Amino acid sequence: GENVEQHPSTLSVQEGDSAVIKCTYSDSASNYFPWYKQELGKRPQLIIDIRSNVGEKKDQRIAVTLNKTAKHFSLHITETQPEDSAVYFCAASSLNFGNEKLTFGTGTRLTIIP
Amino acid sequence: DAGVIQSPRHEVTEMGQEVTLRCKPISGHNSLFWYRQTMMRGLELLIYFNNNVPIDDSGMPEDRFSAKMPNASFSTLKIQPSEPRDSAVYFCASSPASGKSYEQYFGPGTRLTVT
Repeated sequence: GENVEQHPSTLSVQEGDSAVIKCTYSDSASNYFPWYKQELGKRPQLIIDIRSNVGEKKDQRIAVTLNKTAKHFSLHITETQPEDSAVYFCAASSLNFGNEKLTFGTGTRLTIIP
Repeated sequence: DAGVIQSPRHEVTEMGQEVTLRCKPISGHNSLFWYRQTMMRGLELLIYFNNNVPIDDSGMPEDRFSAKMPNASFSTLKIQPSEPRDSAVYFCASSPASGKSYEQYFGPGTRLTVT
């Protein structure tokens, strides 16, 4: 089955600086890579996703890049703000075969230092 | 839409008791997922349904866990008998599972404590 590794497990960034979280996956059949944000005591929520037919996707201050050859993808947050403090999870899925199962990484706790 | 609804929000029970968690997915969503979240193991998929049919239950830890989806608007996750190691937050999520979106919408979770 799919195995997703995520690092770092914790990350502290000065407000206004950029944050990068990296994930690797093992199954070459995986073609869908979402990122979820979970604030303390809240539910995970999708913030951005990418499919394997594109290499990069942006949405305001967040962007995701995908390297299919190397089987890794990354989340980039620019101009970080205090409300970006949360746990971020990457995930992978192979939607080709009608399988929506998401395999999640272990999460990155991001702290924005004011 | 009210989003995914879970009940109860908190459950405290004694070891050996039966626990039933409930979920109402977003209307029109075809897929429903049950997850367990702990500090040690992170976010684990237990089982997921598509059009009320269980598709993948490989994450169900053991026979003490069972899940049902009798119709498109209701699902249950049952633990019998419960054990202290089952203490966790259990999330239900639903997805439209269309070609346009596979976003999973999570419910608020049920925090289960087994003493």
